[in-house]
Amino acid sequence: NAGVTQTPKFRILKIGQSMTLQCTQDMNHNYMYWYRQDPGMGLKLIYYSVGAGITDKGEVPNGYNVSRSTTEDFPLRLELAAPSQTSVYFCASRPLNRVSGYGYTFGSGTRLTVV
Amino acid sequence: RKEVEQDPGPFNVPEGATVAFNCTYSNSASQSFFWYRQDCRKEPKLLMSVYSSGNEDGRFTAQLNRASQYISLLIRDSKLSDSATYLCVVNSAISGGGADGLTFGKGTHLIIQP
Repeated sequence: NAGVTQTPKFRILKIGQSMTLQCTQDMNHNYMYWYRQDPGMGLKLIYYSVGAGITDKGEVPNGYNVSRSTTEDFPLRLELAAPSQTSVYFCASRPLNRVSGYGYTFGSGTRLTVV
Repeated sequence: RKEVEQDPGPFNVPEGATVAFNCTYSNSASQSFFWYRQDCRKEPKLLMSVYSSGNEDGRFTAQLNRASQYISLLIRDSKLSDSATYLCVVNSAISGGGADGLTFGKGTHLIIQP
């Protein structure tokens, strides 16, 4: 199994550009999450989804959008990139039938720089 | 108010030493507790869960004190390969949402010196 796959691994964007960070999991996990990690900081939750068609905001959702049309995919959209969105983005998933907090699988991350 | 707060780093310790990390969390309704390890530019990986009774995994010992909302990690006989950032993580209900999620501390950077 591939687990959680994120693409691209690296990207440089100009201010005002848009892009979609892709996240795909092949484990049939219900829950999926997007986190961002700024230098020297912990991960902060951007958006999450408890299943196909259901998404909700996390701690830092401003400037981002998500969709969950299938169980496998959970793309993160940046519409108007700003320097404050320079960060490393991690996607994670976990199954429904695990005790809360357990069973998370993280992708390897997307390193985004906005200039 | 920081939800998960950790010791400031970096910790520079010689190989073979014992090192301890501490962490406090603010949400008393937090349900489960973990230490994650993160290597430079990589994704965080689960190191171990933390229980009130204390738990040990080889050279690593973790402890939870729910009354004090305090979590600790002890690494004995440290190895060069232990050099990494250690993240204190708690799981709790997401504010305003219908699910739970992980809240991460900033992490403590550990450098083991030969």
